[in-house]
Amino acid sequence: SQQGEEDPQALSIQEGENATMNCSYKTSINNLQWYRQNSGRGLVHLILIRSNEREKHSGRLRVTLDTSKKSSSLLITASRAADTASYFCATDARGSQGNLIFGKGTKLSVKP
Amino acid sequence: DAGVTQSPTHLIKTRGQQVTLRCSPKSGHDTVSWYQQALGQGPQFIFQYYEEEERQRGNFPDRFSGHQFPNYSSELNVNALLLGDSALYLCASSRFGDDYGYTFGSGTRLTVV
Repeated sequence: SQQGEEDPQALSIQEGENATMNCSYKTSINNLQWYRQNSGRGLVHLILIRSNEREKHSGRLRVTLDTSKKSSSLLITASRAADTASYFCATDARGSQGNLIFGKGTKLSVKP
Repeated sequence: DAGVTQSPTHLIKTRGQQVTLRCSPKSGHDTVSWYQQALGQGPQFIFQYYEEEERQRGNFPDRFSGHQFPNYSSELNVNALLLGDSALYLCASSRFGDDYGYTFGSGTRLTVV
């Protein structure tokens, strides 16, 4: 079963614009992770935010976590055509000992 | 580069056959997890191996089995293949107990005809 649900399912923006993707989940978590996938290939780990953290930055990425609402958002600033990919949130549920539960992903298209 | 290596890249099998997929974890990692990703879906957890034992299992039938070797590499075996087993199979490695995220391989695309 899939715990995370990303929103929107698809997003199309122009280069230079910001892209925001949201994720909701159902159970208590140890951490929440965001991954990128290009053209159905392997997943690339972007950022991990722990349950006791509210915001985290990495380069052009900003992730927020609201455990009371069981939701997270990923912001990509000043997007580039190379950011075109599918983005997945994955939760490491409390007590799961590390297996990740993924959502269905957001397909981001950045037009030059 | 000492990332996660998966083989083969692509595979076509006939219904009813058996398949073995292979994974070498990132250097320094001792835990291997396998995921199945159907087209248009997010990855689904199959199982995790640590210390050559299956530690956790997702909601997959017994046709899916695995193995971990002393060098931490792993195999995923699927018996009696069904058309619905067609998917991208991803291997992810980590160090047991760490929560720094996983390193994924590029996957094996399995097509069952």
